[in-house]
Amino acid sequence: GQQVQQSPASLVLQEGENAELQCNFSTSLNSMQWFYQRPGGSLVSLFYNPSGTKHSGRLTSTTVIKERRSSLHISSSQTTDSGTYLCALVNTGYQNFYFGKGTSLTVIP
Amino acid sequence: DAGVTQTPRHEVAEKGQTIILKCEPVSGHNDLFWYRQTKIQGLELLSYFRSKSLMEDGGAFKDRFKAEMLNSSFSTLKIQPTEPKDSAVYLCASSLNTGQLYFGEGSKLTVL
Repeated sequence: GQQVQQSPASLVLQEGENAELQCNFSTSLNSMQWFYQRPGGSLVSLFYNPSGTKHSGRLTSTTVIKERRSSLHISSSQTTDSGTYLCALVNTGYQNFYFGKGTSLTVIP
Repeated sequence: DAGVTQTPRHEVAEKGQTIILKCEPVSGHNDLFWYRQTKIQGLELLSYFRSKSLMEDGGAFKDRFKAEMLNSSFSTLKIQPTEPKDSAVYLCASSLNTGQLYFGEGSKLTVL
């Protein structure tokens, strides 16, 4: 079965609204990484977050290993936040990466 | 430090042709991955090298896909012969055994 489930699959926000993206996993992990991808662009790493909470500007990532979940919070969304957000979990020893299907975010002005 | 470099950025091929995509990982990284990305399937692992040794060959992609890593700073992905269903973005990524993945800009392949 699928190791990583992302939700929602898509999301439309009005500029200024907040967003909460979820990543749930069914296997044990050593780390979690969040990526952002613009249409036609490559994957840009947002957070490498094995556990706990990390902040970067308007973005916050929280990983709770015991609950097998990670979240990405976007505050005060902007139109430039539009794109796809992917989470990937990794079993560091074997370097096995499992990717979610992504959340497609559209922020309208 | 330079990131992951992929060439070419765009490739158009006729069905049956052989194409070679290239990747230079981040200097010093010992893990290198090739992925294929499509809207329907998402990211699919094609190959994984650790210290130049092939660790995974992507199973279903064995027949016409061959990745090689001749030295620690250069890898190629050969698709032979190409088919229209191979049209996708091919991404190369590297890691320093820390679990943090760095991606290149990708090579967009169109097979006519």
